[in-house]
Amino acid sequence: AQSVTQPDIHITVSEGASLELRCNYSYGATPYLFWYVQSPGQGLQLLLKYFSGDTLVQGIKGFEAEFKRSQSSFNLRKPSVHWSDAAEYFCAVGAGNNNDMRFGAGTRLTVKP
Amino acid sequence: SQTIHQWPATLVQPVGSPLSLECTVEGTSNPNLYWYRQAAGRGLQLLFYSVGIGQISSEVPQNLSASRPQDRQFILSSKKLLLSDSGFYLCAWSLQSDTQYFGPGTRLTVL
Repeated sequence: AQSVTQPDIHITVSEGASLELRCNYSYGATPYLFWYVQSPGQGLQLLLKYFSGDTLVQGIKGFEAEFKRSQSSFNLRKPSVHWSDAAEYFCAVGAGNNNDMRFGAGTRLTVKP
Repeated sequence: SQTIHQWPATLVQPVGSPLSLECTVEGTSNPNLYWYRQAAGRGLQLLFYSVGIGQISSEVPQNLSASRPQDRQFILSSKKLLLSDSGFYLCAWSLQSDTQYFGPGTRLTVL
């Protein structure tokens, strides 16, 4: 079965600085990869997803992620962080089967003024 | 467009009391439906999923159960709550694309 690791539990960046959140997955075939964001007390909102094709995917709110098969990674990036980006970010991997999606433990992002 | 609703938003229940959480989806037909639990500071744990009316698959043995009485309605229940049932419960739906879309969640505190 597939699995996801988010190595960073908590990251703090200054407003306007660039951001990269790490995600590593384990899966034998081509994975379906997702990034979600969760504000406190809220549900998860889909930021972007990768199924196939171009390995650099663009999402909402200015986020992008790059699929690197050789590194089993799907890192999330944003060139300039805004205070409103402070939230919890979850990486997830699916196997093409709707019922077997695995989530990472999440990375909490704090944005300093 | 599709929307997903959960209620109640928050719930405080005593140990041993029953539970019923409801999730409904609008704007789509024959969705797959999911219940997840998110404990404090942890990721998401899939509890149940359903691919159709009356079809429920359980991922984790526990004192919770799920039912799907209608195509777009998914209910999470318990006959007797435990302290360990406290958490944030999320409902999600998907179609064949494998992308899951989440509801706003229910915060359950068992005292």
